[in-house]
Amino acid sequence: ETGVTQSPTHLIKTRGQQVTLRCSSQSGHNTVSWYQQALGQGPQFIFQYYREEENGRGNFPPRFSGLQFPNYSSELNVNALELDDSALYLCASNVPDGELFFGEGSRLTVL
Amino acid sequence: GEDVEQSLFLSVREGDSSVINCTYTDSSSTYLYWYKQEPGAGLQLLTYIFSNMDMKQDQRLTVLLNKKDKHLSLRIADTQTGDSAIYFCAEASRGKLQFGAGTQVVVTP
Repeated sequence: ETGVTQSPTHLIKTRGQQVTLRCSSQSGHNTVSWYQQALGQGPQFIFQYYREEENGRGNFPPRFSGLQFPNYSSELNVNALELDDSALYLCASNVPDGELFFGEGSRLTVL
Repeated sequence: GEDVEQSLFLSVREGDSSVINCTYTDSSSTYLYWYKQEPGAGLQLLTYIFSNMDMKQDQRLTVLLNKKDKHLSLRIADTQTGDSAIYFCAEASRGKLQFGAGTQVVVTP
């Protein structure tokens, strides 16, 4: 039990649609990161938020965006979904320089 | 560029030791991690090592770090069937984790 919860656990979308994934972090964890894990691969860093501001971004296009809220929740939004966006999306939260706690992930299938 | 590489598959008999190897490229990494992922689940942190250490032991787990060669290994003693999973090494650099592709460990009775 990591104290990080993600929703929904599974969802199916069609190409071109938009999706919002949600994450609830541990209280006090003011840093949240999102990772994409395609089938058979390791997680890839999407971006990180610290105190509601984007604080680092991986090699993902602008149609991947995020929000972080004062209540330790956050969102990952993906617009104009493509087939290759099918993956497990992992949220991780931490205090600065502390251990990352991962949620169980949201599995997105794009048809 | 940044890259973390692992062997893809390891088969081990129950009761034997498992050794999973990993190489990384970013010499500025501060921490190196080992995560375990079971089917359909998220990532479970197994252990980590600071970049200024060369060994860390935690119960059945031993992490060895050769910073000169940028080589990290995880040894699991007395491997059990419950250890069957995918194991990821990751380096922490510039506020993010860079993961390898994972090593699938299969434990046979």
